[in-house]
Amino acid sequence: GAVVSQHPSRVICKSGTSVKIECRSLDFQATTMFWYRQFPKQSLMLMATSNEGSKATYEQGVEKDKFLINHASLTLSTLTVTSAHPEDSSFYICSARDGGTGYNEQFFGPGTRLTVL
Amino acid sequence: GIQVEQSPPDLILQEGANSTLRCNFSDSVNNLQWFHQNPWGQLINLFYIPSGTKQNGRLSATTVATERYSLLYISSSQTTDSGVYFCAVGRGWGGSNYKLTFGKGTLLTVNP
Repeated sequence: GAVVSQHPSRVICKSGTSVKIECRSLDFQATTMFWYRQFPKQSLMLMATSNEGSKATYEQGVEKDKFLINHASLTLSTLTVTSAHPEDSSFYICSARDGGTGYNEQFFGPGTRLTVL
Repeated sequence: GIQVEQSPPDLILQEGANSTLRCNFSDSVNNLQWFHQNPWGQLINLFYIPSGTKQNGRLSATTVATERYSLLYISSSQTTDSGVYFCAVGRGWGGSNYKLTFGKGTLLTVNP
């Protein structure tokens, strides 16, 4: 149980285009999902918290208009990188909390590697 | 915000050796998780351990919440144990308060 999927696993795009990444909780309902970013040989940095049915909460320094987050259902959150530039190239990872257990444990997706040319 | 420090940053072992990884945190927490990040980037949940002791095969973990640290023990290490081990903590309830703060990780290399 507690499986989180991400799609796509890898994407290469041209500068100026937009890219959408999907995060799904496959066997549980996630009222809260999280989006992280990881640069090579570094730790994970939280970008935003995705709340089902409401606006996302962004961490300080993260551009809301550039990283659009939508959490339309209890099993799906999407991250759209708008007008991507080479500096947006990174490894994006989502996580989800199983709100039905009463615990705070989070489960992570396999990540999406974004390369912007 | 809460600070998370992991030590050592790098660790090299011979296969079969034992090791202890440490995670110190600066404030009280209600969530502490240990992860292993594999070579493809996937974070594998090892332990959810805001307090107490747990064991899973060759791995065990102990969190002493009152002293704000957690330890991850790896016994009889294998080459497949290589990778980065992260400690992450959370300290709130509700919405964005469930967020995790990650340490910088320990890079473990197990040589045959």
